[in-house]
Amino acid sequence: EAGVVQSPRYKIIEKKQPVAFWCNPISGHNTLYWYLQNLGQGPELLIRYENEEAVDDSQLPKDRFSAERLKGVDSTLKIQPAELGDSAVYLCASSRGGLNTEAFFGQGTRLTVV
Amino acid sequence: AQTVTQSQPEMSVQEAETVTLSCTYDTSESDYYLFWYKQPPSRQMILVIRQEAYKQQNATENRFSVNFQKAAKSFSLKISDSQLGDAAMYFCAYFTGANSKLTFGKGITLSVRP
Repeated sequence: EAGVVQSPRYKIIEKKQPVAFWCNPISGHNTLYWYLQNLGQGPELLIRYENEEAVDDSQLPKDRFSAERLKGVDSTLKIQPAELGDSAVYLCASSRGGLNTEAFFGQGTRLTVV
Repeated sequence: AQTVTQSQPEMSVQEAETVTLSCTYDTSESDYYLFWYKQPPSRQMILVIRQEAYKQQNATENRFSVNFQKAAKSFSLKISDSQLGDAAMYFCAYFTGANSKLTFGKGITLSVRP
């Protein structure tokens, strides 16, 4: 079984430019999470999807961040425009949902904004 | 709101020795799950061990075991016979079905001395 796949692994962009991250969850996993992880810190939830519905986006900075999960499978997280403070690792995770709580993580995308 | 606290930023252990990583949490829920995740430099979050709050018996996975004290809201991880490959960041995490949110602590960096 393939794990959670994220791309790209690394991205360097200039500030004010747009950037997008892609995540393909494990097949059959209804729940998809996007987390932000700053250096030396724990992941913080940005948004959670149940199928194609964003059920928790309270921590997503909606002025510059957006996300979508069309057809309830893969997902894209976008930042426009990027700021220096957005430099971090963006992690995607998925789980079957419901009482099956184990979340499987991708390797993340390390974003550097210069 | 649920919070997870890991007060030790770093720990070191001699190879083959035992080390305990501490974690406390705060919640008003009675039914929840607790996890320890390992994050090596590759950034891939790997589930180490999981504990259901309704179970009194402490979870064990090979060299990894937990000391779950529900009343004290404490959840420590014990690593026995430490190996060089155990060196990584370790995150304590809390999950409740009420909001299906996985909340992480700040993590602890474990180094293993040969």
